[in-house]
Amino acid sequence: EVQLVESGGGLIQPGGSLRLSCAASGFTVSNNYMNWVRQAPGKGLEWVSVIYSGGNTSYADSVKGRFTISRDHSKNTLYLQMNSLRAEDTAVYYCARGGNYGSYWGQGTLVTVSS
Amino acid sequence: EIVMTQSPATLSVSPGERATLSCRASQSVAGYLAWYQQKPGQAPRLLIYGASTRATGISARFSGSGSGTEFTLTISNLQSEDFAVYYCQQYNNWPPWTFGQGTKVEIK
Repeated sequence: EVQLVESGGGLIQPGGSLRLSCAASGFTVSNNYMNWVRQAPGKGLEWVSVIYSGGNTSYADSVKGRFTISRDHSKNTLYLQMNSLRAEDTAVYYCARGGNYGSYWGQGTLVTVSS
Repeated sequence: EIVMTQSPATLSVSPGERATLSCRASQSVAGYLAWYQQKPGQAPRLLIYGASTRATGISARFSGSGSGTEFTLTISNLQSEDFAVYYCQQYNNWPPWTFGQGTKVEIK
């Protein structure tokens, strides 16, 4: 059974850093396209980043240069390193497996950026 | 970037009735469109991909249609578990995935 479990969210001050994790089971992260999608409180879905099976990455303009997506094959885990956080980064962050669309999603982890 | 627009923002429907949700793309996405359902406090769940193909385990009460710039999600015989927010997402030109702003289906 495919499972994705995010962790690492919390309250962080503006300008701070946080690393989110997404532990996968039932499939191999490195063999799949993996994404981060976020949802601000009461708002819609916003795609954040993708890491392709080959290792290339892509980012939304809103996070480019501040966020870094990566993975650890040995831990079968996806990561999102978030630096220079802003209030507008406050959201639930979901990891999602899939290239064209999200076939499987984690339950999300809440990141709150506030002083 | 392709902009996705959903209508209406809120749809009030009685149980047992049919709901029709619309999604429009700012340029053609061919048939590369997905629909998701999201309930409060839960992650999105894939319903439809390829504009009309139901994902694994999705009830036949959910059907998708359309191509190019105009798409429709139809939910027939609405059940209590179907009241949720629905999002469309294009993948003809990605990244990024671009989503519509959502349609909330509420109990009338």
